[in-house]
Amino acid sequence: GDSVTQMEGPVTLSEEAFLTINCTYTATGYPSLFWYVQYPGEGLQLLLKATKADDKGSNKGFEATYRKETTSFHLEKGSVQVSDSAVYFCALSDRGGGGNKLTFGTGTQLKVEL
Amino acid sequence: DVKVTQSSRYLVKRTGEKVFLECVQDMDHENMFWYRQDPGLGLRLIYFSYDVKMKEKGDIPEGYSVSREKKERFSLILESASTNQTSMYLCASSPERTLTDTQYFGPGTRLTVL
Repeated sequence: GDSVTQMEGPVTLSEEAFLTINCTYTATGYPSLFWYVQYPGEGLQLLLKATKADDKGSNKGFEATYRKETTSFHLEKGSVQVSDSAVYFCALSDRGGGGNKLTFGTGTQLKVEL
Repeated sequence: DVKVTQSSRYLVKRTGEKVFLECVQDMDHENMFWYRQDPGLGLRLIYFSYDVKMKEKGDIPEGYSVSREKKERFSLILESASTNQTSMYLCASSPERTLTDTQYFGPGTRLTVL
């Protein structure tokens, strides 16, 4: 079945540091890939997505590239801010899952300190 | 603006009680979903619905049921609450059944079963 593996957290960085959160996936078809973010006390919201191989999703300074050859969708940001502190979830939507059912990774907590 | 609301942010119930969690979306979305979120496990799909009065089991439906009598409302029911159902419950909705579709999440209900 489909699965998503994320690096374990928490990840603690200083403000303006470079961020990478690794995500790899297993899917039977040709999935769409997503990063969702959950700020403290809130529900999840879409951060970015990519729908086919070599697509790059970007939003709020975050980027991720759909790499079919390595089945990866790593999240990056060049300079993090304290306001980026949140839990980040990698997810996929695969035709085998039936429409837009999402399979989520376990989440990676990011803490950014001054 | 997209809005998904959940009836309670925090709920405390006793073992054996029947529990209703309500979710309402105001975006005329076709699809609605119930997840539970647990540390180290990420989000797991309990049930989803692609239309009024329609429901399908997700990955962990045991101990739960759902009801969708109106398009905007999707209820999760714990017939006889147990302590292992203590968790954060997240409702989501989405407009279509495509692989690229974004899901919109409510703020969550933290349920404690004593």
